[in-house]
Amino acid sequence: TQLLEQSPQFLSIQEGENLTVYCNSSSVFSSLQWYRQEPGEGPVLLVTVVTGGEVKKLKRLTFQFGDARKDSSLHITAAQPGDTGLYLCAGARGYGGSQGNLIFGKGTKLSVKP
Amino acid sequence: KAGVTQTPRYLIKTRGQQVTLSCSPISGHRSVSWYQQTPGQGLQFLFEYFSETQRNKGNFPGRFSGRQFSNSRSEMNVSTLELGDSALYLCASRIGLGYNEQFFGPGTRLTVL
Repeated sequence: TQLLEQSPQFLSIQEGENLTVYCNSSSVFSSLQWYRQEPGEGPVLLVTVVTGGEVKKLKRLTFQFGDARKDSSLHITAAQPGDTGLYLCAGARGYGGSQGNLIFGKGTKLSVKP
Repeated sequence: KAGVTQTPRYLIKTRGQQVTLSCSPISGHRSVSWYQQTPGQGLQFLFEYFSETQRNKGNFPGRFSGRQFSNSRSEMNVSTLELGDSALYLCASRIGLGYNEQFFGPGTRLTVL
């Protein structure tokens, strides 16, 4: 059973389009992180959200944590080829020591064509 | 500030052998977690070390073990390698147990033949 369901799995769009990636669970998370990973490299942290209903913006990327802290979304405005990569959501359950065990979604592979 | 470093970056072993992977966390970070990434299962948590003690453990067999040294550097060992152990092994560090942000290294690509 996958604790964190990410959708869609694959997304191929044209430069300039908008997109949204979803991360859903039936479990409550104390915090949720979004990463982007390039082939053969480790995930790079984009943002951490901790409060239900929280919205964070990073240039053209908008992250939202659900009110119940069970789901999150990543919205990209006017996508660019440089946004291409694997987007991963990861949730932490519990606090303190338990947060070292991140539960990852399977990822969304985004391809932005020029 | 240097990021998380992992050595070696690539490794090829044969079934039955054992392997040791190394991870140096970001300076000042005292917690190190290890993850296995495969195309089928995605990223899965192996274990976390803090102050030279294992704090959390994932659902992996006892062939997977680790340790942490007093300078926070960590090693991961896999004994009696199986073909299914081929994966990207990622190390992540965080400042301490009260901090939720983890920063990943580039990974070690292990291929078992």
